[in-house]
Amino acid sequence: AQSVAQPEDQVNVAEGNPLTVKCTYSVSGNPYLFWYVQYPNRGLQFLLKYITGDNLVKGSYGFEAEFNKSQTSFHLKKPSALVSDSALYFCAVRDDGGSQGNLIFGKGTKLSVKP
Amino acid sequence: DGGITQSPKYLFRKEGQNVTLSCEQNLNHDAMYWYRQDPGQGLRLIYYSQIVNDFQKGDIAEGYSVSREKKESFPLTVTSAQKNPTAFYLCASSVPGNSPLHFGNGTRLTVT
Repeated sequence: AQSVAQPEDQVNVAEGNPLTVKCTYSVSGNPYLFWYVQYPNRGLQFLLKYITGDNLVKGSYGFEAEFNKSQTSFHLKKPSALVSDSALYFCAVRDDGGSQGNLIFGKGTKLSVKP
Repeated sequence: DGGITQSPKYLFRKEGQNVTLSCEQNLNHDAMYWYRQDPGQGLRLIYYSQIVNDFQKGDIAEGYSVSREKKESFPLTVTSAQKNPTAFYLCASSVPGNSPLHFGNGTRLTVT
């Protein structure tokens, strides 16, 4: 069975410091991995995805994520956090044999960036 | 601008009443999805449709129904059989393959 875990309910970072939001996954085949961001009372916005190729994926708003097959992880990173990055972040995964209807979301990590 | 429109933004209903949430997209996407979001539980798939006149149950379909008569529209009915209907409901769409989902801004349903 597919699963995705975001081990931290909340991450607190000072503005200007690097941030990491963690995600680990379990799939039966090759993973397709996604990160989304959600601002209060809004839908989710796509940040980046890993399908194949380079393990370091660059996305919107200066975010990037590193795919690590041996550790089954896909952590979201940003070199310098902004207060406006404060939001709820979701990791999602499915295996390459399924469809988007098989996409599994993590429970979300609340990122709080303080000035 | 292309996008997904969910209406209404807030919806209040009495227990025992059916209610229908609207989702319309002008992105020309074939696939559409309904998710339910509860605090601390992430998103759970209710129903999805990959093509007009066809749809599949997701992980938590009990107490919900959908229709897909038009490519642009995928309404969700929350029936009285749904035990805990109060939640934030998100509609999404996508093209086939590895493309990301495009989400609407959600409908917050409160049933008392």
